[in-house]
Amino acid sequence: QKEVEQDPGPLSVPEGAIVSLNCTYSNSAFQYFMWYRQYSRKGPELLMYTYSSGNKEDGRFTAQVDKSSKYISLFIRDSQPSDSATYLCAMSAESGGGADGLTFGKGTHLIIQP
Amino acid sequence: DSGVTQTPKHLITATGQRVTLRCSPRSGDLSVYWYQQSLDQGLQFLIHYYNGEERAKGNILERFSAQQFPDLHSELNLSSLELGDSALYFCASSVGWGRDQPQHFGDGTRLSIL
Repeated sequence: QKEVEQDPGPLSVPEGAIVSLNCTYSNSAFQYFMWYRQYSRKGPELLMYTYSSGNKEDGRFTAQVDKSSKYISLFIRDSQPSDSATYLCAMSAESGGGADGLTFGKGTHLIIQP
Repeated sequence: DSGVTQTPKHLITATGQRVTLRCSPRSGDLSVYWYQQSLDQGLQFLIHYYNGEERAKGNILERFSAQQFPDLHSELNLSSLELGDSALYFCASSVGWGRDQPQHFGDGTRLSIL
């Protein structure tokens, strides 16, 4: 079993829909959780950075962490064609990415249809 | 723009050769992390340097090495290249491990081995 599981998609939704992206993980030491967005031929761009369980909202994006279930989610409201990208979840046991770097899911390819 | 600069953007070389990838972190960041991204493995942590010293190694082959210089830029050296080394190589920087600030990524170097 991989440490972080993420459905690769593709996930195709119409413009304006609410998008739900998810990851599950097995390492209970993970405490810091991130979502990155990656466009083709570009580097991962940080969207959300959260600590432990709970919700965090930033504009159209909401990140949820449920440590008891080892499950994290990213919700995108009012989705736009420009949101079409690959979304990567990442996590670490220590802040700042820790000494041992981040552990990533393989990414979900999201397509927003105009 | 994340503020992390990687050069070159694209490298094409042959098996058995050696290449050097360069990374300049964001101003003020002391930690530099190197990652490899391939289609089958996703983003994998290779190595972490903090203020000139190696902090942690991940899935890094013995043929690969890195260093961080006094001006904090970092280089990843890949030698005796094999076809399987073809991948995207990213560096990320952060203020420092243990500090509650996330990692920010450059746009990567695409390495193609012919």
